[in-house]
Amino acid sequence: EIVLTQSPGTLSLSPGERATLSCRASQIVSSSYIAWYQQKPGQAPRLLIYGASSRAIGIPDRFSGSGSGTDYTVTISRLEPEDCAVYYCQQYGSSPYTFGQGTKLEIK
Amino acid sequence: QVQLVQSGSEVKKPGASVKVSCKASGYTFTSYYMHWIRQAPGQGLEWMGLINPSGGGTTYSQKLQGRVTMTRDTSTSTVYMELSSLISEDTAIYYCARGRLWFGYWGQGTLITVSS
Repeated sequence: EIVLTQSPGTLSLSPGERATLSCRASQIVSSSYIAWYQQKPGQAPRLLIYGASSRAIGIPDRFSGSGSGTDYTVTISRLEPEDCAVYYCQQYGSSPYTFGQGTKLEIK
Repeated sequence: QVQLVQSGSEVKKPGASVKVSCKASGYTFTSYYMHWIRQAPGQGLEWMGLINPSGGGTTYSQKLQGRVTMTRDTSTSTVYMELSSLISEDTAIYYCARGRLWFGYWGQGTLITVSS
């Protein structure tokens, strides 16, 4: 099973700043099969990024994904108050599909 | 538009079983896998397994193998997830999510509480 470790656990930034969230896999994720989700309190997760760098439909270009092998990143440029959420990475390169433990993004 | 509508919250006693439904609309039901993912209170996301609505084939998490069963009814475009021998650690929100590899659409979630 591929274990995904996200860092930092919590990130506190101001509006307009840039956020960088990391996801490290315990082994190489084949074909960069990494997705990122945003979850706000009381809501289901929302797909942000798939294939490590492709934005899902309707996701603003402030969100970008990158990475390969075992190290992946999602960057949110120009933070807005509504970006306050927990962000999860997920790998679908091998079964079982697994998620990271999440990074909580706080907007000051 | 794609919609996944799940059944309502339930409270179950330890040792009981629960069956959660997820009714799909807005797309061809048999064209996309459906996954089940759960989230314990204040915790992260746990993938439980998937079903291929076209042929009914399933893949389950090894952790839940033997306790989880996923089925589908193509006549109503509904998938079901049944979890048996419930324990308190099964208390969670259960989500269905559409997709082969990543999960582009999610149901609203169903809270299952296991308590004596």
